[in-house]
Amino acid sequence: DTAVSQTPKYLVTQMGNDKSIKCEQNLGHDTMYWYKQDSKKFLKIMFSYNNKELIINETVPNRFSPKSPDKAHLNLHINSLELGDSAVYFCASSQREVDEQYFGPGTRLTVT
Amino acid sequence: SQQGEEDPQALSIQEGENATMNCSYKTSINNLQWYRQNSGRGLVHLILIRSNEREKHSGRLRVTLDTSKKSSSLLITASRAADTASYFCATAGTSGTYKYIFGTGTRLKVLA
Repeated sequence: DTAVSQTPKYLVTQMGNDKSIKCEQNLGHDTMYWYKQDSKKFLKIMFSYNNKELIINETVPNRFSPKSPDKAHLNLHINSLELGDSAVYFCASSQREVDEQYFGPGTRLTVT
Repeated sequence: SQQGEEDPQALSIQEGENATMNCSYKTSINNLQWYRQNSGRGLVHLILIRSNEREKHSGRLRVTLDTSKKSSSLLITASRAADTASYFCATAGTSGTYKYIFGTGTRLKVLA
């Protein structure tokens, strides 16, 4: 069974569109994250949720809105997509904030 | 910022040789973690070392931590072609929210 899953794996869309990426973890973890990895492989945290509560919001444009309907899910909605949003987005989870993180396979977003 | 920086950026070795990667960071940490990323995949956790630990082993992996120099090293012994991947260190601070900062990564290529 996949521990952390993301859908879709690939997303190609045009500028100005709105899209969502879904993430689910079946590890029973309390903390979930969204990361953005750019073309140079630099990985930067965007958001972190603990027990459905937002605990990290890392200077991300407000076009990005995370939503955690329950502890096992953390979705990412992006409004008015821009070319610079093209990247690979990773979801991750951990039992506690200080523990090792388990990453999903990533969603490659391409904005044209 | 306590961004980790890995050194070297890229490393190419022959199968059977040892590979050493270094990570430097800027501020006091709670712990330091090493992750591996195969091409096109998510990150996989390798080892977590706490700030009060100096060395840790896991199979062919050996991690050291020198908090006085704010640096860590990852040694992979008897490397295999399957070890070809990018390796990242991630650090979390000692106060407030444990926001992990990932380094820039070392791209390791093991030649068969």
